[in-house]
Amino acid sequence: DSGVTQTPKHLITATGQRVTLRCSPRSGDLSVYWYQQSLDQGLQFLIQYYNGEERAKGNILERFSAQQFPDLHSELNLSSLELGDSALYFCASSVATSNGEQFFGPGTRLTVL
Amino acid sequence: QKEVEQDPGPLSVPEGAIVSLNCTYSNSAFQYFMWYRQYSRKGPELLMYTYSSGNKEDGRFTAQVDKSSKYISLFIRDSQPSDSATYLCAMSSGRRALTFGSGTRLQVQP
Repeated sequence: DSGVTQTPKHLITATGQRVTLRCSPRSGDLSVYWYQQSLDQGLQFLIQYYNGEERAKGNILERFSAQQFPDLHSELNLSSLELGDSALYFCASSVATSNGEQFFGPGTRLTVL
Repeated sequence: QKEVEQDPGPLSVPEGAIVSLNCTYSNSAFQYFMWYRQYSRKGPELLMYTYSSGNKEDGRFTAQVDKSSKYISLFIRDSQPSDSATYLCAMSSGRRALTFGSGTRLQVQP
C-alpha cells in the first residue's frame, strides 16, 4: 500500500457526461500528479499540482481540468466524455516537486459507453 | 523518436533465472532514474530509485545507470513467478514530471 488513495475504483458513464476523480496523497506529500494509462498509450502525464498551485502540464485535454485543495487532496474533472477517454487514471504524490520519486495510487478505471 | 525507449517484450524466463530489463534515453538532462513494477490493472509500485550514475542493490533487485551511454538496467536475481508483471522505467531531470518507458512485460514460468 503506497498510502495514496483514489476514489472511485470504477466508473462507468456515457458519452457527453462529466465525472470527477478524487485523490488523497500520502501524508506529508505536497505534490500530486495525474496520469492516464490506456492500452495503446502507456502512462501519459496529465498535470501536476504542488501545494495547491499548478506546477506542470502534460498532454491534458482542454475538456479535462484539475485542482488541489487546501487539505492537499486533488480532483480531476473530465467533461464532454468521449469513448476514447476510457482508461485507467492514476494519481501519484511526492514530497518535493523536483526529485522525481513518486508513489502511485491504485487508480480509477473509467469506462465511457 | 521517443525520449525513453523500452522493449515491450513479453520476456519469458524460467523460475530462478536472472532477468535483465533495460531502457535507453535521449535526454542528457535526466538525473533521477526509477523502476516501477505494475501488476495487471494495478497502480505502479516504486521498486528502485537512483540518482545519477552507479549501481543500487535492494534484495534480489539491482539497478544500474550509465549516463555516458544513456542506458539504465534492472536485474532481478532468482526470479519468481510472483515477479511476473510489467516493469516500467521512469526518469526525470528534476524540472519536469516523470517520463516513462512503455513497459516490458515479464513472465516467469514455474
